[in-house]
Amino acid sequence: DAGVTQSPTHLIKTRGQHVTLRCSPISGHKSVSWYQQVLGQGPQFIFQYYEKEERGRGNFPDRFSARQFPNYSSELNVNALLLGDSALYLCASSLGLAGGANTGELFFGEGSRLTVL
Amino acid sequence: AQSVAQPEDQVNVAEGNPLTVKCTYSVSGNPYLFWYVQYPNRGLQFLLKYITGDNLVKGSYGFEAEFNKSQTSFHLKKPSALVSDSALYFCAVRVNTNAGKSTFGDGTTLTVKP
Repeated sequence: DAGVTQSPTHLIKTRGQHVTLRCSPISGHKSVSWYQQVLGQGPQFIFQYYEKEERGRGNFPDRFSARQFPNYSSELNVNALLLGDSALYLCASSLGLAGGANTGELFFGEGSRLTVL
Repeated sequence: AQSVAQPEDQVNVAEGNPLTVKCTYSVSGNPYLFWYVQYPNRGLQFLLKYITGDNLVKGSYGFEAEFNKSQTSFHLKKPSALVSDSALYFCAVRVNTNAGKSTFGDGTTLTVKP
């Protein structure tokens, strides 16, 4: 079975540009979450989407936005890139909102490594 | 608010010896606790979880973790370390029904020497 897939795997941008990162969840998973992992730190929660609706947002500026499509894939968009946006962006899927048999463990993709120059 | 602390940036053990990677947490409510492992230039892989019930949980690759509510800890353990266990380990916690919003520690690098 295919796991979580992310694209692109690596990309280099300059300050002020815009970037779009893409994620396809595991088949049957309806929830997608995005995390930012800066070198030397743990992943920081950015967004969660479930059934195409935003269900959670972390402490990130409005330059960060996301959406989820009918097939449950997702895009993360970052505008007006800053040097500090350089990081590994991780997408994680889960069955859905937690409860019942869904205890909420996350299944991560390999990440998109963004370098802003 | 919820938080996770991994007090050790690095843990070094010899192959065949037991290992412990420490994690403490702070939450309002009942915690759901997780351990993930990350290999270089890879995403995170789920190892094990505590939801409810037995305080000792077993997971992948021979790892286990002990939940201690009074000490708000969830330490990762393995009776006999392998060189292949060398990786970056993250503890995570969540409390609400938002399955995607987990709070992670900053990670502990485990190095197992032959």
